[in-house]
Amino acid sequence: NAGVTQTPKFRILKIGQSMTLQCAQDMNHNYMYWYRQDPGMGLKLIYYSVGAGITDKGEVPNGYNVSRSTTEDFPLRLELAAPSQTSVYFCASSYGRQRGVGTEAFFGQGTRLTVV
Amino acid sequence: KQEVTQIPAALSVPEGENLVLNCSFTDSAIYNLQWFRQDPGKGLTSLLLIQSSQREQTSGRLNASLDKSSGRSTLYIAASQPGDSATYLCAVRQDSNYQLIWGAGTKLIIKP
Repeated sequence: NAGVTQTPKFRILKIGQSMTLQCAQDMNHNYMYWYRQDPGMGLKLIYYSVGAGITDKGEVPNGYNVSRSTTEDFPLRLELAAPSQTSVYFCASSYGRQRGVGTEAFFGQGTRLTVV
Repeated sequence: KQEVTQIPAALSVPEGENLVLNCSFTDSAIYNLQWFRQDPGKGLTSLLLIQSSQREQTSGRLNASLDKSSGRSTLYIAASQPGDSATYLCAVRQDSNYQLIWGAGTKLIIKP
């Protein structure tokens, strides 16, 4: 089982460059999430999606954009990279509340991004 | 606003000891609580999920308890091993908006 797959694993960007972090899941989960994790901190929600075509902002959305054209894919776009976006990014997926109990969240391996 | 706190931030114990990691939350209106393990440079691995109606869950040497009324969860690790060394994160899924709110984690080191 592939689960949640993120690419790339590592990336170095120069200030002002753009990039897209890819995320795909094969569990038919309707909910997908993007988090960032800074050293010594808990995960912060950037954006989330409750289904194809539906996205919403999380706690720290500034500087990012997302799209959800299919159930499987949820890419995260950084348009103008800034040093403050240096972090580890995690994609996750889960079933929504309507599935009932057992809504465990599954995570990708993360993308370590450095902006210089 | 829901806040999740994990104490201690770091813990170092000799191999073989039983230990308890703590997670506290400020709003008891939760849907579930999940414990994760994170190894350096790796993703998050789900360990245990406790529904709001449950009191505890067990998996092998791990036991997680939930006391919603007091806003507390504990992760009990029996007979610790060096391979248990990792950062342990707890996350509360809110009942209101279904979002996961995270603690900062407890970094656990098991000394051989």
